[in-house]
Amino acid sequence: NAGVTQTPKFQVLKTGQSMTLQCAQDMNHEYMSWYRQDPGMGLRLIHYSVGAGITDQGEVPNGYNVSRSTTEDFPLRLLSAAPSQTSVYFCASSYPGTHQRAFFGQGTRLTVV
Amino acid sequence: ELKVEQNPLFLSMQEGKNYTIYCNYSTTSDRLYWYRQDPGKSLESLFVLLSNGAVKQEGRLMASLDTKARLSTLHITAAVHDLSATYFCAVDISSGNQFYFGTGTSLTVIP
Repeated sequence: NAGVTQTPKFQVLKTGQSMTLQCAQDMNHEYMSWYRQDPGMGLRLIHYSVGAGITDQGEVPNGYNVSRSTTEDFPLRLLSAAPSQTSVYFCASSYPGTHQRAFFGQGTRLTVV
Repeated sequence: ELKVEQNPLFLSMQEGKNYTIYCNYSTTSDRLYWYRQDPGKSLESLFVLLSNGAVKQEGRLMASLDTKARLSTLHITAAVHDLSATYFCAVDISSGNQFYFGTGTSLTVIP
């Protein structure tokens, strides 16, 4: 059981480049979300999805796009990378319901130079 | 704007000692989660607290929730080195899909 899988684990981008961070889960979870983690700031919600075809913005959505065409996948796109997007990105998934805990991927460490 | 504040941010404690980490939040919510993160690793779920007065315990860690005071605590009893990690609290505002995290408490347990 793989859980939540993120790729790549590490990435270096030049300013202005685009890329997609991949996230896949094999637990048939309806809920998926993306967070970024910066030193001293905890994790901040970027975008989230409550099911295939449904996405919404979180706390810090600017500069990021998402889509959810299948239950399993929730890619995060950076259209024009900026140094301020240097961070560690985590994808999470869960079942709906207040008693359900979220499962997190291993993270993608992104550096924009 | 929802705020989730943890203190202390850094905690160095001796093995065998007790200590408490505090998590204050600014919104009405009765769903509070605690996570552990080891350096360079992902987040591991520790506790899910779903109602006022909820108390959960596992090993040397005990978490509680006071929704009226908007306060959760993570109490460490007789600390051991294996507990060294960063601990996050998180408030859920939408039934398990939107978490707002505290800044984390970096715990170091020293012999």
